[in-house]
Amino acid sequence: GEDVEQSLFLSVREGDSSVINCTYTDSSSTYLYWYKQEPGAGLQLLTYIFSNMDMKQDQRLTVLLNKKDKHLSLRIADTQTGDSAIYFCAEGNNYGQNFVFGPGTRLSVLP
Amino acid sequence: KAGVTQTPRYLIKTRGQQVTLSCSPISGHRSVSWYQQTPGQGLQFLFEYFSETQRNKGNFPGRFSGRQFSNSRSEMNVSTLELGDSALYLCASSRDSNQPQHFGDGTRLSIL
Repeated sequence: GEDVEQSLFLSVREGDSSVINCTYTDSSSTYLYWYKQEPGAGLQLLTYIFSNMDMKQDQRLTVLLNKKDKHLSLRIADTQTGDSAIYFCAEGNNYGQNFVFGPGTRLSVLP
Repeated sequence: KAGVTQTPRYLIKTRGQQVTLSCSPISGHRSVSWYQQTPGQGLQFLFEYFSETQRNKGNFPGRFSGRQFSNSRSEMNVSTLELGDSALYLCASSRDSNQPQHFGDGTRLSIL
C-alpha cells in the first residue's frame, strides 16, 4: 500500500537552514504537500508541488522533488524560533482526496 | 476569507456514548475530508465527501460515519465510543480532488 516516511526529529540553530526529508511509495502521486502543525492547532498548508516539477521556491521555503527516487525535501532558509513545529509530508492524487501523511518531523530551533 | 471551522473545539464523553462533530468548509469548497490524529497512529484518513456523497473511505469501523449537506457543511458521528477514540479529529476542505486541502483547528475528543 501507500506509505510515506520521514525522520521524526530535527534540531537546528536559529539562522541556519533546515532540511526535512520525505520518501513516498505511490508512483501515481500527483501532488506532494508540506504542512506545518503548531501545538494545539490544525495543519497549515505551507507549500505543494506537482509531480511533474522538480523544484519550487516560495520565500524562505524550497521544495525539491526527485521523482525517480520518490524523495521530497523541504528546505527552510534562515530558520527562526517560530518555525519550531511538526512538519508533515503528504501525497495525493487525482483519484479522490485520500491523502497519505507521513508521521511528521518535529523541528526544534535552538537559540 | 474564513477558513475551515470546526465545532466544538473540545469535547469530553464517556464510553458507550455517541458524538457528532461539525465542520464548515471554506466558501466554494465542495470536498470535505475527515482525519483522526493520535500520538500512536499519526494522521489517519476517515472519509471524504463531495457534493453530499461519500467518495472515499478509510479503514475505520462502521461506528464512524459522516454526512455532507447541500451547503457543503459536514458532520462526523461516532457511536458507542471507546477509550481508543480519544483523538484530535481534523476536517479539511478543498475545491475538488486536484486541489490542496485546507485544515481546521480540529476537535479534541476525550473519552473517560
